[in-house]
Amino acid sequence: QSALAQPASVSGTPGQSITISCTGTSSDVGGYNYVSWFQQHPGKTPKVLLFDVNKRPSGVSSRFSGSKSGNTASLTISGLQAEDEADYYCSSYTTSSTSVFGTGTKVTVL
Amino acid sequence: QVQLVQSGPEVKKPGASVRVSCRASGYRFMNYAIHWVRQAPGQGLEWMAWINPGNGDIRYSQKSQGRVILSRDTSADTAYMELTSLSHEDTGVYFCTRGDRTSSLFDPWGQGTLVTVFS
Repeated sequence: QSALAQPASVSGTPGQSITISCTGTSSDVGGYNYVSWFQQHPGKTPKVLLFDVNKRPSGVSSRFSGSKSGNTASLTISGLQAEDEADYYCSSYTTSSTSVFGTGTKVTVL
Repeated sequence: QVQLVQSGPEVKKPGASVRVSCRASGYRFMNYAIHWVRQAPGQGLEWMAWINPGNGDIRYSQKSQGRVILSRDTSADTAYMELTSLSHEDTGVYFCTRGDRTSSLFDPWGQGTLVTVFS
C-alpha cells in the first residue's frame, strides 16, 4: 500500500485560503468516503481536523473544510492564521480493511 | 474523559523486541478499534495496524506483517504493540489512537512512545 500523495509544502499569507490535495487510488480515497485530515505541530500529537471527508469533530474551527472528487481529497483552510503553520496529513480507509496516510504537507504562513 | 495513555520510552539494541502498551479510559474499550501509527524522526505518519478489542480481529499493513504483533487485555482495557527484530530504522515515536468502527474518526491519540534502537 503506497502512501497517499500530498504536496510537500503549501504557503499563504494571513487571511488567504489554501488547499492541500491528497491523491490516492480507487482502492482507497476513491473507493470510500473515509478520508480524514490531521494537523500536527512540531513535537506534538496529531489532531484530527476532519473525518468522513468533510465532518468536523466538536471544537474544530469551521475554517477547515474538506471535499473529495474521484481519487483526490482536498483540505481547505480559510482565513489562514499564524497558528495554522504546521504539518498536515490525510488518511484513508482501504480495500484491505487497513488505513494509509498521506506523505504530509508543511504549511507555511508567510 | 476519553483518554489513551501509553507506556514510557524504550531503548533497545538491534535484533531485540519492544512492546508498547496503550491503556484506554473513559469509554467502553470493547467498542472501538485501536490503531497504531509510527513516526520516524523528521518523517511523516505511517499506519501500522489495528485491533478490534471486542473480537480480537487484527489487520496489519504490508510493511508491518510478520514483525508486528498486536494483542489486547480486555480486563485491563489495554492494547499492546510488539515490534520484533528491531533495526535502527525502527527508531521513532509510536502512537496509538482510537478508531471509530463506523467512521474514519481517529480520536483521541495517545501521547506517543519514543522507541530508540541503539547499538
